[in-house]
Amino acid sequence: EVQLVEAGGGLVQPDRSLTLSCKTSGFRFDDHAMHWVRQVPGKGLEWISGISWNNSSEEYAQSVKGRFTISRDNAKNSLYLKMSSLRTEDTALYYCARDKGSGWDWFFDLWGRGTLVTVSA
Amino acid sequence: EIVMTQSPATLSVSPGESATLSCRASRSVETDLAWYQLKPGQAPRLLFYDATTRAVGVPARFSASGSGSDFTLTIISLESEDFAVYYCQQYSMWPSWGGETFGQGTKVDI
Repeated sequence: EVQLVEAGGGLVQPDRSLTLSCKTSGFRFDDHAMHWVRQVPGKGLEWISGISWNNSSEEYAQSVKGRFTISRDNAKNSLYLKMSSLRTEDTALYYCARDKGSGWDWFFDLWGRGTLVTVSA
Repeated sequence: EIVMTQSPATLSVSPGESATLSCRASRSVETDLAWYQLKPGQAPRLLFYDATTRAVGVPARFSASGSGSDFTLTIISLESEDFAVYYCQQYSMWPSWGGETFGQGTKVDI
């Protein structure tokens, strides 16, 4: 079955760190760039980061640049997001999403169900 | 920067009726536009890309049109499973350069 399953969300205090993971299955992981997209409760979608199929290129939204780091392990078919210096405004449902292409097509043809991150004291 | 505006914010329709959703970009994105469907507790679903190309498995009652800065998603004969929030997304301009990539969404409800 083709799927993406996020994990690692939870309650974390401001200024702390948290790492999310996305385990994929059912397709050739290294054929695709991968992304993280988040949704603040009750709000819209925000793309936050993407990584090329071979780890050679990373992109970040201005809102997370310098605080979040995306990475992938093609041997484990997994995507990661290390989030540091977390802020209350980072509270959101974080989705893992597959880029349609191996390069940067920049739209997403497969998504996970998300993992909720709550940043609160 | 590109600003994406969807309208209406909420669309109330009955099963069997049609729904027309609008997405407008503040500058031309050519045909670099996708539509997604979101339901609570489910993975978001790609409906269309390149403005009019239907994704795999999307029913024919869904159609999309437009180019440049004005785009439309149309759903005819709405079924209960179609009640959801729909987002447009431009990919003409890389989001890491700033600006918006997603619209604010249109909720289609009963």
